[in-house]
Amino acid sequence: AQTVTQSQPEMSVQEAETVTLSCTYDTSESDYYLFWYKQPPSRQMILVIRQEAYKQQNATENRFSVNFQKAAKSFSLKISDSQLGDAAMYFCAYRSPYFMEYGNKLVFGAGTILRVKS
Amino acid sequence: ETGVTQSPTHLIKTRGQQVTLRCSSQSGHNTVSWYQQALGQGPQFIFQYYREEENGRGNFPPRFSGLQFPNYSSELNVNALELDDSALYLCASSQGLRVALGDYEQYFGPGTRLTVT
Repeated sequence: AQTVTQSQPEMSVQEAETVTLSCTYDTSESDYYLFWYKQPPSRQMILVIRQEAYKQQNATENRFSVNFQKAAKSFSLKISDSQLGDAAMYFCAYRSPYFMEYGNKLVFGAGTILRVKS
Repeated sequence: ETGVTQSPTHLIKTRGQQVTLRCSSQSGHNTVSWYQQALGQGPQFIFQYYREEENGRGNFPPRFSGLQFPNYSSELNVNALELDDSALYLCASSQGLRVALGDYEQYFGPGTRLTVT
């Protein structure tokens, strides 16, 4: 069974600074998808960024980028130029590519609360 | 394009009662997944429906059951409610099975907050 671990319950960052959120996972599969989701107080889970395991290039979406280390099973999220609107709970998630066996099941970590100071 | 909607927003039930939560999937999506998110924790997969059939289930007892309708909307039913069932219930829809490795991006609804007293 796959597991996802987020070891930082809470992080703080100054506005305009950079912060990195950590995530490690465990799987025996060679192909899979990894995601970072943001959940603000409004509760709506929003996809921030995704990474396909077969791609060596790290994904980037505007101010958000990942450091994907497949051998180490590590998947960290870097937020550059932090903004007040980035304050939220961030979840790392894993998904197997094998739909007929696992469906679209996402395995989530426990989350990291990100606080942004003005 | 209409997003994923869930009803009701909040619900308070008594232990032992039954509850039905509803989810309308995003237009064009045929797969719905349900998750339970306890306070301060990550969501836990309950089950998924693909074209009206259950396609994957997490570690939840049989008193958690579901349905998917021909229009791909879905219901989550919980019988014999327990205090530990108090949580945010999230629904996510996606386009389901595709050729080759999956590209089934999931879109989440705003959730239903269930409180069991």
